[in-house]
Amino acid sequence: KQEVTQIPAALSVPEGENLVLNCSFTDSAIYNLQWFRQDPGKGLTSLLLIQSSQREQTSGRLNASLDKSSGRSTLYIAASQPGDSATYLCAVAGNQFYFGTGTSLTVIP
Amino acid sequence: GAGVSQSPRYKVAKRGQDVALRCDPISGHVSLFWYQQALGQGPEFLTYFQNEAQLDKSGLPSDRFFAERPEGSVSTLKIQRTQQEDSAVYLCASSFRSLDSGAFFGQGTRLTVV
Repeated sequence: KQEVTQIPAALSVPEGENLVLNCSFTDSAIYNLQWFRQDPGKGLTSLLLIQSSQREQTSGRLNASLDKSSGRSTLYIAASQPGDSATYLCAVAGNQFYFGTGTSLTVIP
Repeated sequence: GAGVSQSPRYKVAKRGQDVALRCDPISGHVSLFWYQQALGQGPEFLTYFQNEAQLDKSGLPSDRFFAERPEGSVSTLKIQRTQQEDSAVYLCASSFRSLDSGAFFGQGTRLTVV
């Protein structure tokens, strides 16, 4: 069974810092990897989708990379803002979507 | 609609009561998924539909859980004789084709069993 791990579980940074969230998975036979944001009491908002044939995707201040062979993805957030505070989840698509437990990010003004 | 819609947003049920949770996927999306998210955890897969066919129900925790999508659009997740351990957020997602096209999630239904 696919296992997805996210490190760190929680992260607190001052506003303006660049930061990296990590996601690792055990089975490289995936269709894609998707990064989501979840605010407290809310559903999941898709941030970036990387197909298995791609190496990275960018959207604004967000950049996600994928190294399928090593089973790793990173989400880079540039110039963090207090509004970025949320839980970030990665999910890999195999025969279903497999989620990590998330990284809880707090950006301090 | 513009996004995946779930109702109700919140549900409080007495232990032993039956509940039904509804999901309206994005129009035209073929695939529909149900997930269960316990507090502080990532979502866990429950079941998957492609059109009206339930292709995978391996994640349903017991035979008290039942899902249907009779016309290949709206889906209902039913939980019979609810128990306290059923308390969680139930998330629905839809996808245009299959798992290769990414997923869009609804706001979820928070179920509390008392």
